[in-house]
Amino acid sequence: AQRVTQPEKLLSVFKGAPVELKCNYSYSGSPELFWYVQYSRQRLQLLLRHISRESIKGFTADLNKGETSFHLKKPFAQEEDSAMYYCALSPSYNTDKLIFGTGTRLQVFP
Amino acid sequence: NAGVTQTPKFRILKIGQSMTLQCTQDMNHNYMYWYRQDPGMGLKLIYYSVGAGITDKGEVPNGYNVSRSTTEDFPLRLELAAPSQTSVYFCASSYEDRGGHYGYTFGSGTRLTVV
Repeated sequence: AQRVTQPEKLLSVFKGAPVELKCNYSYSGSPELFWYVQYSRQRLQLLLRHISRESIKGFTADLNKGETSFHLKKPFAQEEDSAMYYCALSPSYNTDKLIFGTGTRLQVFP
Repeated sequence: NAGVTQTPKFRILKIGQSMTLQCTQDMNHNYMYWYRQDPGMGLKLIYYSVGAGITDKGEVPNGYNVSRSTTEDFPLRLELAAPSQTSVYFCASSYEDRGGHYGYTFGSGTRLTVV
């Protein structure tokens, strides 16, 4: 079965500390992986996708097929990074459906 | 562009009542979706549409109906509201880029409580 697991409901760090939000997936094929973010009182929006291999707002995520993981990392957290983060999987490169994890709330304290 | 617009933002229903959650997009996206988000859970797909006149069930379609008469609108209908349908509902639309990948745009959500 296709599944996305985010083991942490809440992650709290201080400003300037490194952040790693964990995401593991189960899928037998070649998935496309995404991170979505929802800031307070805003709608869900795409943060980054693994095929782009880009860094957005200082965040990066590397797809590790051996460990079936797509952890989101940032070396120095900022207060404005506080938000809800969702990892999502698209079962193949040409399908339009997303499977979401349960989300991790990141709190960055000053 | 307004993007994806959902109405209402909040609603309280009594058990057995019916209502329609509205969703409209002005980006000419072919694909539209309805998700629900329960506390502590991820978003689960209710229904989706790949174009006007075409709809299909997602993971949790029971108790819901949809229609897609135009590209812009994708309303979600609850016929007999039940407490289990208390949730936050998100509408989304997506497009396929030249690389065959999909870009999603989400609405701001509708918080529904059934009492």
